[in-house]
Amino acid sequence: NAGVTQTPKFRVLKTGQSMTLLCAQDMNHEYMYWYRQDPGMGLRLIHYSVGEGTTAKGEVPDGYNVSRLKKQNFLLGLESAAPSQTSVYFCASRSGGLAGGTSNTGELFFGEGSRLTVL
Amino acid sequence: GNSVTQMEGPVTLSEEAFLTINCTYTATGYPSLFWYVQYPGEGLQLLLKATKADDKGSNKGFEATYRKETTSFHLEKGSVQVSDSAVYFCALPTSGTYKYIFGTGTRLKVLA
Repeated sequence: NAGVTQTPKFRVLKTGQSMTLLCAQDMNHEYMYWYRQDPGMGLRLIHYSVGEGTTAKGEVPDGYNVSRLKKQNFLLGLESAAPSQTSVYFCASRSGGLAGGTSNTGELFFGEGSRLTVL
Repeated sequence: GNSVTQMEGPVTLSEEAFLTINCTYTATGYPSLFWYVQYPGEGLQLLLKATKADDKGSNKGFEATYRKETTSFHLEKGSVQVSDSAVYFCALPTSGTYKYIFGTGTRLKVLA
């Protein structure tokens, strides 16, 4: 059972370089999310998608772009990396409707994380 | 808007001790409430949830009761094990959206 797979798991970048994180899920989920996790700040939502071809901004979208060309994949791009983007990035997916609705279990399924260091 | 406040850690306990991790929330209506756990080097996974007021969620010996009068969802376990060492996150959905809010996480360390 693959679930949610993130690649790469580790990456070191220099300031100004670009990169893309790939998230792939095999559960046919409609909704996908990118979070960053920083010490003392919990999880903060960067961008999310409610279906193929759609994306929306979360709490901390600046400096990131995303794309959802295929339902199973959600890409997170950094066009010009900055040291402030050093973090652990998590992708998550789920099925169902509105977050507080009764049509879904509400469970988010997470990948194992991608640790990014920007020097 | 919805928000969640979680007790700060780290929490260090001896094996077989009683655990409480506090979580309080503010929300429109009565959304589902969740506890997620993150073991070292892994992503988050759902530990338990409660979908309405007075519900009790339970899993792996952990319990949490959805208390609307105190807007709380405290996580408890009667006897912790070394294998429970992890970071625990309280979470709730943002009403009318597709998003979830997470607490800052509480790191638990259990000593043998």
